[in-house]
Amino acid sequence: QKEVEQNSGPLSVPEGAIASLNCTYSDRGSQSFFWYRQYSGKSPELIMFIYSNGDKEDGRFTAQLNKASQYVSLLIRDSQPSDSATYLCAAGGYSTLTFGKGTMLLVSP
Amino acid sequence: AAGVIQSPRHLIKEKRETATLKCYPIPRHDTVYWYQQGPGQDPQFLISFYEKMQSDKGSIPDRFSAQQFSDYHSELNMSSLELGDSALYFCASSSSSGRVREQYFGPGTRLTVT
Repeated sequence: QKEVEQNSGPLSVPEGAIASLNCTYSDRGSQSFFWYRQYSGKSPELIMFIYSNGDKEDGRFTAQLNKASQYVSLLIRDSQPSDSATYLCAAGGYSTLTFGKGTMLLVSP
Repeated sequence: AAGVIQSPRHLIKEKRETATLKCYPIPRHDTVYWYQQGPGQDPQFLISFYEKMQSDKGSIPDRFSAQQFSDYHSELNMSSLELGDSALYFCASSSSSGRVREQYFGPGTRLTVT
């Protein structure tokens, strides 16, 4: 069974700090990995995706992938209170996505 | 940029009634996915369609059916509704071109079954 594991949190960081969110996956056949941000009662919003080992940067966000360790992470630099949300990690192949249960991030002013 | 459109945004039904949820994908997206998300849960994949054909099936109850039409919009039909069907239902769309099929979610339909 395909599984994506995340620490449920909450992860609390002060404003301006770096938030580090982690995720592991069980299916070695997974090819692409996605980070979504979800505010309570709202839909998941795609932040980034990554499919090659290493780092991928987009603004304040950096996604990291290590396929050998089956590990994905998301770093958020200069965290803002508006970043407070649940972050969902998802793994997929060509179609379906398997989501983790999400990590709640709280950024305090 | 155009996003995924879902209607209705809120729906209240009674047990044993029927509901139809609609999804309009991002223009030029050919794949539609349906997810169900209960309170405090992660999105659970129900079913997907590519070029109007069912492509994958997840944990969709037999009471539910879905289809994708020639204009690529999709409808999720839910019959004999149960209290446990109360949830947020998301539609997502993606394009089959390119290496990665990133899925973009619509705003969701909140279904309440009383």
